Amino acid sequence: NFMLTQPHSVSESPGKTVIISCTGSSGSIASNYVQWYQQRPGSAPTTVIYEHNQRPSGVPDRFSGSIDSSSNSASLTISGLKTEDEADYYCQSYDSRQHLVFGGGTKLTVL
Amino acid sequence: EVQLVESGGGLVQPGGSLRLSCAAPGFSFSTHGMIWVRQAPGRGLEWVSYISSTSNTIYYEDSVKGRFTISRDNAKNSLYLQMNSLRAEDTAVYFCARDLRPYKNYFDPWGQGTLVTVSS
Repeated sequence: NFMLTQPHSVSESPGKTVIISCTGSSGSIASNYVQWYQQRPGSAPTTVIYEHNQRPSGVPDRFSGSIDSSSNSASLTISGLKTEDEADYYCQSYDSRQHLVFGGGTKLTVL
Repeated sequence: EVQLVESGGGLVQPGGSLRLSCAAPGFSFSTHGMIWVRQAPGRGLEWVSYISSTSNTIYYEDSVKGRFTISRDNAKNSLYLQMNSLRAEDTAVYFCARDLRPYKNYFDPWGQGTLVTVSS
């Protein structure tokens, strides 16, 4: 079964840049779109990146997404970190049956 | 503002049944696919099921196939998840979300979630 693997947690200081990775277990991660969702404690997820690198309206350009085929990974980059960015982040894509697959989630701490 | 509101969660014994609802006023519900996603306490997101706008295409995550049934009533702008033969591992907050494909490949908005607890 296709899986997406994320680091369990990352931490960085305000104003810095953090990169969260999402590695596909098989196939080419570029063959299906990757989305990134932010979930603050007690809240529903919201989308910060879709279709690998697109931002929904209202999401600041501090958030960016990319794909690296050589490592079969997607990455979410958050620059100019703010304390409000502290949340759980999930990548999402699809398996060969077009079923949704989520990564395990990464807890971002902004210290 | 588009909002989704889930209901129907609660405490149920193992082997029992529960029907979740997702009310979707304020947008053209009948033109969008919908999904259910769950989140066990302290755990990550897990996709549960998908239904297309016309109900022609339905998918289930393997662990719920044969036990859960997704459906929709476009006249009532509502999505449902019938859950039978519930197990302790089905305990989770269940979210519904709108599918924005093919226009944009993501799911938005999400409801606030409804908690299902399976315990004796």
